[in-house]
Amino acid sequence: QVQLVQSGSELKKPGASVKVSCKASGYTFTSYAMNWVRQAPGQGLEWMGWINTNTGNPTYAQGFTGRFVFSLDTSVSTAYLQISSLKAEDTAVYYCAKGITMVRVNWFDPWGQGTLVTVSS
Amino acid sequence: DIVMTQSPDSLAVSLGERATINCKSSQSVLYSSNNKNYLAWYQQKPGQPPKLLTYWASIRESEVPDRISGSGSGTDFTLTISSLQAEDVAVYYCQQYYSTPPTFGQGTKVEIK
Repeated sequence: QVQLVQSGSELKKPGASVKVSCKASGYTFTSYAMNWVRQAPGQGLEWMGWINTNTGNPTYAQGFTGRFVFSLDTSVSTAYLQISSLKAEDTAVYYCAKGITMVRVNWFDPWGQGTLVTVSS
Repeated sequence: DIVMTQSPDSLAVSLGERATINCKSSQSVLYSSNNKNYLAWYQQKPGQPPKLLTYWASIRESEVPDRISGSGSGTDFTLTISSLQAEDVAVYYCQQYYSTPPTFGQGTKVEIK
């Protein structure tokens, strides 16, 4: 079955960097977009952007440029989210979510289990 | 960006009773060329990722029980749970994918009365 498995929780100090992984299985990784969604504690869902898993071209939503980088390792069907210069307000659960096509953003299915990133001194 | 507004923020319903969640978009998400509404619904249980329930406003994802249904068009949409079960306790989100960025409603928490 189609499955996305993310890396485990991270506790980081302000100013540090973190890299979250999302390993896909059960489908052809390079045929579907991979999206990233943030959920701050007790809050709703915020789309961060997506990466074309065929070309590696990322698209970032407003508010997620500069410190956020999407990347891939297609040899192991894995997408990555790297956040640099971490701030307390980056504390959130980060989800990867498979897109339906590579042509446009549609609905997301399935989602990874989420990775909690906590930024605290 | 299209703003999605859900109502109510929370509701408590007795087991076996109907739960109705509304979602309103700040502009129409109906694409006239294909007559499709670019709207999805998700269910998120505590400690779990969101799970897709419906897309194109009313197409139920496989394995979603038929007591859960989506309806509506244009700017006004509804998710209905016809007979609430204990396993339906969750937060429900609508999401538009008519335009980028895709945006979500703030969520509606469904509890047992």
